[in-house]
Amino acid sequence: NAGVTQTPKFQVLKTGQSMTLQCAQDMNHNSMYWYRQDPGMGLRLIYYSASEGTTDKGEVPNGYNVSRLNKREFSLRLESAAPSQTSVYFCASSATLNTEAFFGQGTRLTVV
Amino acid sequence: KNQVEQSPQSLIILEGKNCTLQCNYTVSPFSNLRWYKQDTGRGPVSLTIMTFSENTKSNGRYTATLDADTKQSSLHITASQLSDSASYICVVVMNTGFQKLVFGTGTRLLVSP
Repeated sequence: NAGVTQTPKFQVLKTGQSMTLQCAQDMNHNSMYWYRQDPGMGLRLIYYSASEGTTDKGEVPNGYNVSRLNKREFSLRLESAAPSQTSVYFCASSATLNTEAFFGQGTRLTVV
Repeated sequence: KNQVEQSPQSLIILEGKNCTLQCNYTVSPFSNLRWYKQDTGRGPVSLTIMTFSENTKSNGRYTATLDADTKQSSLHITASQLSDSASYICVVVMNTGFQKLVFGTGTRLLVSP
């Protein structure tokens, strides 16, 4: 069982470059999330998608865009990467907005 | 302000020993409290989920307690194993119509042989 799969696992970007982080889940979950994890801080919600066709901002959405491509896939895009976006990014999914979330293995992004 | 504070920040124990990790929160409105285990380089994995009415919940060698009056929770690990080395994150879920999770910064546990 794959669960939540994120690609890539590691990425180095130059300031100003753009990239898209991919996330797919095979649990038929309705809700999906993007978090970032920084040293000394708890995970923070960037964007979430309650169901296919909807997306909403979380705590720290600035500098990011998302696309809920279909029920399985939820991508996170950095249009112009900044060093402050150096972080570990986690995608998660849950059956509904109020049920347990399952996390992917993370994408470690470094912006130089 | 909605916050989750964990202590200690890090802990080293000998294999086979017990330990207790603490979590204090000021999150409201409260829905449930979760403990996650995060291995290095991996995503968090849920250990326990406790609602307002639950005082204790066990998952193998892991036992979580919740005191909703004092807004404190603990995670007790019995007979520690090397594989218990990880970060343990306390997460409080707010009852806001969708599951807004407030994450603690975690306790990094190292079990030494």
